[in-house]
Amino acid sequence: EAQVTQNPRYLITVTGKKLTVTCSQNMNHEYMSWYRQDPGLGLRQIYYSMNVEVTDKGDVPEGYKVSRKEKRNFPLILESPSPNQTSLYFCASSFSGTGGYEQFFGPGTRLTVL
Amino acid sequence: QQQVKQSPQSLIVQKGGISIINCAYENTAFDYFPWYQQFPGKGPALLIAIRPDVSEKKEGRFTISFNKSAKQFSLHIMDSQPGDSATYFCAARSSFNTNAGKSTFGDGTTLTVKP
Repeated sequence: EAQVTQNPRYLITVTGKKLTVTCSQNMNHEYMSWYRQDPGLGLRQIYYSMNVEVTDKGDVPEGYKVSRKEKRNFPLILESPSPNQTSLYFCASSFSGTGGYEQFFGPGTRLTVL
Repeated sequence: QQQVKQSPQSLIVQKGGISIINCAYENTAFDYFPWYQQFPGKGPALLIAIRPDVSEKKEGRFTISFNKSAKQFSLHIMDSQPGDSATYFCAARSSFNTNAGKSTFGDGTTLTVKP
């Protein structure tokens, strides 16, 4: 089954404790992105990657890191989480090219930073 | 700077009615305009999308109307059903190489269809 998986789905942590949220896709997509969703603010792009070893900042990159060492994986790293990073996070992937850019989203990771 | 503005924030319609959600964008480099549907506890999923070379696209009860000169596009849901109750996001994306991976979303519209 074609899908984007994220782990963990739920996470409660404390300020300053480094964490990683994993994302994996099995559709051989070139593009991958991380978004955060907050009430009234929609989906805001944190980072995106256009291919292996190619990443760029989205609209709200502060406090986050990413890496793309393999095509299928795109982990999100919070090296020193703070309470304002409490949010619902989505990973997404899509093909490149002119055929369209439908993004396939993962199920989400609900993060609470105390 | 918000590049995609979506309205209304919430919408309540009766079963069988027409739901209309509007979006306006600023960046003329955008060339792909999708609408995503999100149910509670799920990730967004593509509903319908349009490119600026057409003014309208219809898929079943869902239609996108696109006005390039006004930099606006809208989603129309005909014969709205309770099962359409969800949050809808418009988005915009550019295929230009330096920004091809970047997407901008509207703030979302929560649609409630009353039986």
